[in-house]
Amino acid sequence: DAKTTQPNSMESNEEEPVHLPCNHSTISGTDYIHWYRQLPSQGPEYVIHGLTSNVNNRMASLAIAEDRKSSTLILHRATLRDAAVYYCILRGGGSNYKLTFGKGTLLTVNP
Amino acid sequence: EAGVAQSPRYKIIEKRQSVAFWCNPISGHATLYWYQQILGQGPKLLIQFQNNGVVDDSQLPKDRFSAERLKGVDSTLKIQPAKLEDSAVYLCASSLDGRDLDTQYFGPGTRLTVL
Repeated sequence: DAKTTQPNSMESNEEEPVHLPCNHSTISGTDYIHWYRQLPSQGPEYVIHGLTSNVNNRMASLAIAEDRKSSTLILHRATLRDAAVYYCILRGGGSNYKLTFGKGTLLTVNP
Repeated sequence: EAGVAQSPRYKIIEKRQSVAFWCNPISGHATLYWYQQILGQGPKLLIQFQNNGVVDDSQLPKDRFSAERLKGVDSTLKIQPAKLEDSAVYLCASSLDGRDLDTQYFGPGTRLTVL
């Protein structure tokens, strides 16, 4: 399976933007970049996904490098409720569509 | 729309005892997953059902773990006998049809402590 590399932890202040990086240098042409997050004492939840172009939804934005070897999840205004572990996951088409979680990035949001 | 339901939320047992977890997926979702999440790690897929058939159980320790999904709706995961290393959160998830980039919806999990 293609691997991703994320920082173990990051810290931000409330109401400020947060940029969560993810490196995936061995990404294949059919791999989509997915982000899930896990709030304390809850199961993971879907955040966003993309292939080549930047993507926006109500929760976040996903910026994908031109060579697709890295991506950044952007929370435009962090709130205390955004404190969670964020997972960057590669999912390919066909049979390689499993969600394979790494350790993710623990985001702490300071008031 | 109701989410994925799991019970119990917490369970404490002694090693060598048996335990069972229950999951009710989102209505209409054909695919159901069981994950194990050990403290400090990301979830690991144990088994995936498509309706009531098993699609992937390659990481299920079949000597002690079993799972079933009767009638393609609810599912139970059983551990018999439990070991200390089975202490973890057991997460159930469901998705519409399990194809390609299907979004998975997770339940709150069952926290198992084996003493």
